[in-house]
Amino acid sequence: GENVEQHPSTLSVQEGDSAVIKCTYSDSASNYFPWYKQELGKRPQLIIDIRSNVGEKKDQRIAVTLNKTAKHFSLHITETQPEDSAVYFCAAPLNQAGTALIFGKGTTLSVSS
Amino acid sequence: DAEITQSPRHKITETGRQVTLACHQTWNHNNMFWYRQDLGHGLRLIHYSYGVQDTNKGEVSDGYSVSRSNTEDLPLTLESAASSQTSVYFCASSVGPGPYEQYFGPGTRLTVT
Repeated sequence: GENVEQHPSTLSVQEGDSAVIKCTYSDSASNYFPWYKQELGKRPQLIIDIRSNVGEKKDQRIAVTLNKTAKHFSLHITETQPEDSAVYFCAAPLNQAGTALIFGKGTTLSVSS
Repeated sequence: DAEITQSPRHKITETGRQVTLACHQTWNHNNMFWYRQDLGHGLRLIHYSYGVQDTNKGEVSDGYSVSRSNTEDLPLTLESAASSQTSVYFCASSVGPGPYEQYFGPGTRLTVT
């Protein structure tokens, strides 16, 4: 089955700086890689996802890059703001059926002003 | 508006008791999932279902069971609650087949004393 590792576990940045979170996965057949954001006391919500037929996807200040050869994908947040402070989770499909997900352990991002 | 709900939101129970957590979605999604969230472990998949009468084990299924008798509901049962099952439980659903955004419920905080 799939194994997802996420680094770092905590990340502190100054407002306006960039933040990068990296995940590695084990199953070379995996083809869908979402990122979820969870604010304190709230439910996780999808912020961006990427499929294996593209190498990069952007949505305003957020981007995800995928390197299938190295089996890793990264979340990039530019011009960070205090409201970006949250826990971020990456995920990959549990198996080749592709619908159930295995999540990384999460990264707590703190943005100080 | 379509939504996903969980009940109860908070529950305290004693070791050895059977507990059932409810999850109800009104999106008519085929796929439903149960996760537990613990500090340092992120979101771990307990059980999942791709449709009526379909159930599958996830990463941490021991001591838990689910049944899917209709599209809207996937109740999670703890057969004999243990202190190690103290956690926050999230239900999620997604349209299928294939990997798409998962919509999470608000969570249930379960304490086993």
